[in-house]
Amino acid sequence: AQSVTQLDSQVPVFEEAPVELRCNYSSSVSVYLFWYVQYPNQGLQLLLKYLSGSTLVESINGFEAEFNKSQTSFHLRKPSVHISDTAEYFCAVSAGNQGGKLIFGQGTELSVKP
Amino acid sequence: DTGVSQDPRHKITKRGQNVTFRCDPISEHNRLYWYRQTLGQGPEFLTYFQNEAQLEKSRLLSDRFSAERPKGSFSTLEIQRTEQGDSAMYLCASSGMGRTSYEQYFGPGTRLTVT
Repeated sequence: AQSVTQLDSQVPVFEEAPVELRCNYSSSVSVYLFWYVQYPNQGLQLLLKYLSGSTLVESINGFEAEFNKSQTSFHLRKPSVHISDTAEYFCAVSAGNQGGKLIFGQGTELSVKP
Repeated sequence: DTGVSQDPRHKITKRGQNVTFRCDPISEHNRLYWYRQTLGQGPEFLTYFQNEAQLEKSRLLSDRFSAERPKGSFSTLEIQRTEQGDSAMYLCASSGMGRTSYEQYFGPGTRLTVT
């Protein structure tokens, strides 16, 4: 079975500061890794994914995440955040042999202050 | 591409009543998933379909819950004899085949409140 732990439930940060949202997973099989974002009063949106290949993946709005197999981590980073990045961020895993269902972490609320 | 749609967006019901939710996936997607999200938690997997076949159900899905996807297009999730613990956001997602099967697109959700 897979599990996901997001180490911080809330992360307050000032605008233009760097941020890291931490995610660790547990699995006995190979997994695919995802970050989803949920803006206030909106649905979940796929932010970025790791399926294979380069362990560093990037999103179109400046976020990046690095798959670290030895540390079973997939931390999300952004060098300079904007007010508009305020949202709930969810890390998720999918085992390759289980039909694609996602196992989510508890979520991290990113609050960007001016 | 109109995205995944869900209906209704909100439902308030009294304990003991039955409710049914509908999900319309992205038209070319053959996989459809249901999740439940409670306040302060991440979504939890309930069940998924590939075309019209229901391939997996979570232990969270008690006998009061049933899901269908009769023609491999839209899906319904029914909860019988609702309980206050069923209050949650019910999310639907869909995905394609092959490598794109791992990219799930979510609908806006149906918020259920059981009074």
